Amino acid sequence: DSGVTQTPKHLITATGQRVTLRCSPRSGDLSVYWYQQSLDQGLQFLIQYYNGEERAKGNILERFSAQQFPDLHSELNLSSLELGDSALYFCASSSGTSAANGELFFGEGSRLTVL
Amino acid sequence: SQQGEEDPQALSIQEGENATMNCSYKTSINNLQWYRQNSGRGLVHLILIRSNEREKHSGRLRVTLDTSKKSSSLLITASRAADTASYFCAIPNSGGGADGLTFGKGTHLIIQP
Repeated sequence: DSGVTQTPKHLITATGQRVTLRCSPRSGDLSVYWYQQSLDQGLQFLIQYYNGEERAKGNILERFSAQQFPDLHSELNLSSLELGDSALYFCASSSGTSAANGELFFGEGSRLTVL
Repeated sequence: SQQGEEDPQALSIQEGENATMNCSYKTSINNLQWYRQNSGRGLVHLILIRSNEREKHSGRLRVTLDTSKKSSSLLITASRAADTASYFCAIPNSGGGADGLTFGKGTHLIIQP
């Protein structure tokens, strides 16, 4: 158990809809990272938050947004969903500002299916 | 792109044999990490090797890093059925203000009992 909690584990929705994925980082970790994993694209870095502030952006679509709350949990909002958004979405946390200096702890992921 | 590329894409060996997978990357790095992912599960950190290290061990894992060739290898000795998983190398993002890690597409390892 990594200590990172993600909900929901599975989500099925229709094109055009909006969903929110939630992540609770490990106790004490200030950084939260979101990744998308699909068969064709592999594991793609989306965005990072550190102590409530956006720190780094990766390949995140404009239809997607995220935030980190004062209690350090984070939410990833996906809107105007398309079939191609079907993927596993992972949240990871670390204690520092940079994943480059230490390991990431991953949650079990939220599997999104868009029909 | 800073993405590392693992080789081979898939590897099937008998239990007890050693498994070697490789990672190549394109630019200078401060460190390189290896992660394991069991099917449909979250990634688990295995080992981090810094650019000033050439080799590192953790249990049955041995990681090497050759910065001159921009490559790393992960060796799993005396493989077990439980080692069946996908293995990813990860390198720090660079450029464009992005942080986080960039993962390769992984090596899918199957250990035959």
